[in-house]
Amino acid sequence: AQSVTQLDSHVSVSEGTPVLLRCNYSSSYSPSLFWYVQHPNKGLQLLLKYTSAATLVKGINGFEAEFKKSETSFHLTKPSAHMSDAAEYFCVVSDQGTPLVFGKGTRLSVIA
Amino acid sequence: DAGITQSPRHKVTETGTPVTLRCHQTENHRYMYWYRQDPGHGLRLIHYSYGVKDTDKGEVSDGYSVSRSKTEDFLLTLESATSSQTSVYFCAISATPGLAGATLQETQYFGPGTRLLVL
Repeated sequence: AQSVTQLDSHVSVSEGTPVLLRCNYSSSYSPSLFWYVQHPNKGLQLLLKYTSAATLVKGINGFEAEFKKSETSFHLTKPSAHMSDAAEYFCVVSDQGTPLVFGKGTRLSVIA
Repeated sequence: DAGITQSPRHKVTETGTPVTLRCHQTENHRYMYWYRQDPGHGLRLIHYSYGVKDTDKGEVSDGYSVSRSKTEDFLLTLESATSSQTSVYFCAISATPGLAGATLQETQYFGPGTRLLVL
């Protein structure tokens, strides 16, 4: 069965500095991997999706993630944080034929 | 934004009463899902539907039932609400509209959520 671990429950960065949100996954087959973002009191919005086409996936708002099979990781990065990036981020995994499994989330704080 | 609405958006109810939440889509998508979101747990799947009258259980289905009599509507019912069902409930739909080959790995798009408080 697939599972996902977000290694940090809370990350705090200064505005203009890089962002790294870490995600490790467990999957039996060839997984699909996603990152979603949730701003306060809002629904979830898709940031990016990996489906085996390219290991480096570019998403919206300058975010990207790299799929590393050998490390079973799918970390989310952004070169320069903006105040509007403050939100909760969810890493999600899905094996073929099974529903999505969500990580517990990482809350990103951006300090001015 | 994907055409997904949830009603009601907020509800306060008492323990033991029945509650029905509605998810409505205008996208003709085959798959629909109900999740609950609780602090420290992320989102957990309650039930999902892969077509009219076709549903299956998710990770936390106890105490919940669902129905889908039309493609556009997916109802979540708490037969007898308990305080442990206080949560934020999200509906989602998959991205592939009405194709037989759509899978559970498709991108999901989420509704705005329903805040439920059970006293």
